[in-house]
Amino acid sequence: DTEVTQTPKHLVMGMTNKKSLKCEQHMGHRAMYWYKQKAKKPPELMFVYSYEKLSINESVPSRFSPECPNSSLLNLHLHALQPEDSALYLCASSQDLFGLARNTGELFFGEGSRLTVL
Amino acid sequence: AQSVAQPEDQVNVAEGNPLTVKCTYSVSGNPYLFWYVQYPNRGLQFLLKYITGDNLVKGSYGFEAEFNKSQTSFHLKKPSALVSDSALYFCAVRDSAGNNRKLIWGLGTSLAVNP
Repeated sequence: DTEVTQTPKHLVMGMTNKKSLKCEQHMGHRAMYWYKQKAKKPPELMFVYSYEKLSINESVPSRFSPECPNSSLLNLHLHALQPEDSALYLCASSQDLFGLARNTGELFFGEGSRLTVL
Repeated sequence: AQSVAQPEDQVNVAEGNPLTVKCTYSVSGNPYLFWYVQYPNRGLQFLLKYITGDNLVKGSYGFEAEFNKSQTSFHLKKPSALVSDSALYFCAVRDSAGNNRKLIWGLGTSLAVNP
C-alpha cells in the first residue's frame, strides 16, 4: 500500500472549470513533487517543493498552480485547462531533495489522479 | 549531458524463465541508479537502487540489478518470471556531480510474461 495518498483518483473537468488535486504523505518527507504522465511514457517533472518552498518549476503553464500548505500536503490547482492536459498526475515524496543533505533516496509515488479535460 | 536509454520497448518472456530488462546511462559524475515498476492503472513503485558498494543490488519482488561501470549499464534481472511481473519498467539516473536535483528517466520497457 502506498504511503502517499492522492485524491481524487479520477477527475473530469471542462476547460472553464477550476479544480484541485490533493496529495498527502505522513512519512516526514521534506520534498514533494508533481509529475505528469501520459500513457506508456515516463513521468515528466512539473514542480518540486522542498521544505514547503517551491524549488523547481519546469516551465509549467500558469493554468497549473501548485501549493504546499504544510510539510505533509501538496495541492495542484487547475484552471482553464486544455484537452492535451489530460493525463495521470502523480504526486511523489522523498526524504529530502536531491542535492540537499546529500539525499540519494528513492521517490515514493501515490497512485495518481487521472485527469480528463473535455 | 545526462541520459538514460532503455533499448527495448517491449520484452516478452515465458513464465518461469529468467528475465532481463536493459538500461544504459550517461552521466558526468558517479551515477545514482534506480528501477521503478508501474502496474496497469497504478502509480510508480520503487524496486531497487544503486548508490555505491556491491555491484549486485537486490530489491523488491525478487528483482536484482547489476551495476557495470565499464559498460555504463544497470540491467534489471529476475531468475524466474511470474505472470504478475507483467508491467512497465522505468530506469532512472541522477548524476552525483554538480547540483542537479532531477531524476532522468528512461522511456520505459513493457514486460509481458506469458503463462
